Amino acid sequence: AQSVAQPEDQVNVAEGNPLTVKCTYSVSGNPYLFWYVQYPNRGLQFLLKYITGDNLVKGSYGFEAEFNKSQTSFHLKKPSALVSDSALYFCAVRLFNTNAGKSTFGDGTTLTVKP
Amino acid sequence: DGGITQSPKYLFRKEGQNVTLSCEQNLNHDAMYWYRQDPGQGLRLIYYSQIVNDFQKGDIAEGYSVSREKKESFPLTVTSAQKNPTAFYLCAVQSRVEGNQPQHFGDGTRLSIL
Repeated sequence: AQSVAQPEDQVNVAEGNPLTVKCTYSVSGNPYLFWYVQYPNRGLQFLLKYITGDNLVKGSYGFEAEFNKSQTSFHLKKPSALVSDSALYFCAVRLFNTNAGKSTFGDGTTLTVKP
Repeated sequence: DGGITQSPKYLFRKEGQNVTLSCEQNLNHDAMYWYRQDPGQGLRLIYYSQIVNDFQKGDIAEGYSVSREKKESFPLTVTSAQKNPTAFYLCAVQSRVEGNQPQHFGDGTRLSIL
């Protein structure tokens, strides 16, 4: 079984400040981890992924995420938030090479960046 | 995402009616997925297909049906047995079932009851 938790429904930050969106996961094996962003009435867009190797992963639009195996976490970060970063963010986990490629998604975190 | 087309963008269903949502891709990807998105509940998997002429139930398949007659097409039918169909439906594709590639999503169909 695999599961994802995004403990915060909403994150509010001021423009220019650093942001963190939290994600913890549970899988019985090695995980692939993903972050996606969704704007209103649109599909999800891929931001970044962790496969193996370096625990700090860099992705699109200046986002990065840190994989922590001991804490089973994969938090999304950005050093300086933009108003245009306001959106719904989803963390997803997939078990390495099994489970028919199915991903499990968290419930999402709404990020609001205020000017 | 470019290369994945969902239609229509908005759809209304009458009581007792079946409706079909279209998902077409030109990415030549093997795997296709249908998700349902409700506010505050994230994405829930309805059906998925790894190869033409084969598909499997996801976590919430009751009241839905699919077909995969062509690699590029994976239509979803919401039947009258689905008593609460109002939701945002997302189609996704993935290059291979195994491997570490992300899923790519269409822009969704919003289904409402008349």
